Amino acid sequence: DTGVSQDPRHKITKRGQNVTFRCDPISEHNRLYWYRQTLGQGPEFLTYFQNEAQLEKSRLLSDRFSAERPKGSFSTLEIQRTEQGDSAMYLCASSRDTQETQYFGPGTRLLVL
Amino acid sequence: AQSVTQLDSHVSVSEGTPVLLRCNYSSSYSPSLFWYVQHPNKGLQLLLKYTSAATLVKGINGFEAEFKKSETSFHLTKPSAHMSDAAEYFCVVSPPRTGRRALTFGSGTRLQVQP
Repeated sequence: DTGVSQDPRHKITKRGQNVTFRCDPISEHNRLYWYRQTLGQGPEFLTYFQNEAQLEKSRLLSDRFSAERPKGSFSTLEIQRTEQGDSAMYLCASSRDTQETQYFGPGTRLLVL
Repeated sequence: AQSVTQLDSHVSVSEGTPVLLRCNYSSSYSPSLFWYVQHPNKGLQLLLKYTSAATLVKGINGFEAEFKKSETSFHLTKPSAHMSDAAEYFCVVSPPRTGRRALTFGSGTRLQVQP
């Protein structure tokens, strides 16, 4: 499969715990995006990387959230001290430099108890 | 700034009848527009995109959309619904070609197809 992959697909955690999600983009795509989708809503942008540089962050990305893309390939999104309001689907997408179309992974569904 | 309004949160049609999912956009520039589909427990899949070439855009699975600048609309249609079309559909507007890269999604329309 040459699409965007995300791991894990599901995560259940207790409030206050830290969680980390991984995204592997399509191999030739140098842009990588994270979005969050809550129930009944469309995805909302969190952050964007071009290669290893994080170029844009949403106001939704509080101090508890951090994202990295150390070698310009896969990316991780960490949430520290999770809260129940963090429960959502976390989506990763990737694209080429020259294209607007973003290709999405299957998402990681987080449930914070 | 750009925004997208999907006029119906839920649409129900019978199998074999036409589908119309409505979308209006607001943008201070000439946007690119997309429709994505999300089946339960699956990722977002691109149905079609408009990028200022032709105003009538054909996508996968028999869907098409027409860009109408005067009405700021980008409605999605299909002549004949199939049971497998039941899903959530998102109208999406792109950012300007320079600067921000985040897509802006509508709130979604859930399409139900009755047998």
